[in-house]
Amino acid sequence: QQPVQSPQAVILREGEDAVINCSSSKALYSVHWYRQKHGEAPVFLMILLKGGEQKGHEKISASFNEKKQQSSLYLTASQLSYSGTYFCGTALSGGGADGLTFGKGTHLIIQP
Amino acid sequence: KAGVTQTPRYLIKTRGQQVTLSCSPISGHRSVSWYQQTPGQGLQFLFEYFSETQRNKGNFPGRFSGRQFSNSRSEMNVSTLELGDSALYLCASTTGQGNSGANVLTFGAGSRLTVL
Repeated sequence: QQPVQSPQAVILREGEDAVINCSSSKALYSVHWYRQKHGEAPVFLMILLKGGEQKGHEKISASFNEKKQQSSLYLTASQLSYSGTYFCGTALSGGGADGLTFGKGTHLIIQP
Repeated sequence: KAGVTQTPRYLIKTRGQQVTLSCSPISGHRSVSWYQQTPGQGLQFLFEYFSETQRNKGNFPGRFSGRQFSNSRSEMNVSTLELGDSALYLCASTTGQGNSGANVLTFGAGSRLTVL
């Protein structure tokens, strides 16, 4: 089942902070975050694994609440380059039997 | 190192035709996954190949098929095209080792298919 992302869209001024949420109704093994700019490939940002392990870019922070099956991506002191669509993808098991299931995305616009 | 390469980048087909899309993964990556991206449904998993074998499959009709070659390059084929097949088709590669739910996907730029 597709994870639910919120908000659907957000407009910020440069330097402001944003939080993007991803929620699943199923028990998750991992949550992935990707950013896609218009006309480009999605780019990896972060993986959060059940049990607390995280892999990702230094300037990106995120959390994974295993009890609630919710993840949040924190974008602080936003820059113009942060604009794009953010997707969370979820895996139900480590074996990846069903690939990643992605949310519909959060559109982020950063204005100068 | 070179990224994931998808060809062709753009193509236009008519209903009833078939199409073949190609994906060359990052060197050393043995797993290739395919995703369909549409404005309404977002990114949807089609299938994954690892060492020339289909390892996982999403919920798409049998008109969608794929294969992987010994050099890890992958192709996907869509037969009897429908208008609703218009989409951006993305492939992604990973090493395929260990827990796949923990592997980073490296995406290609996609093949944009328009069905008229």
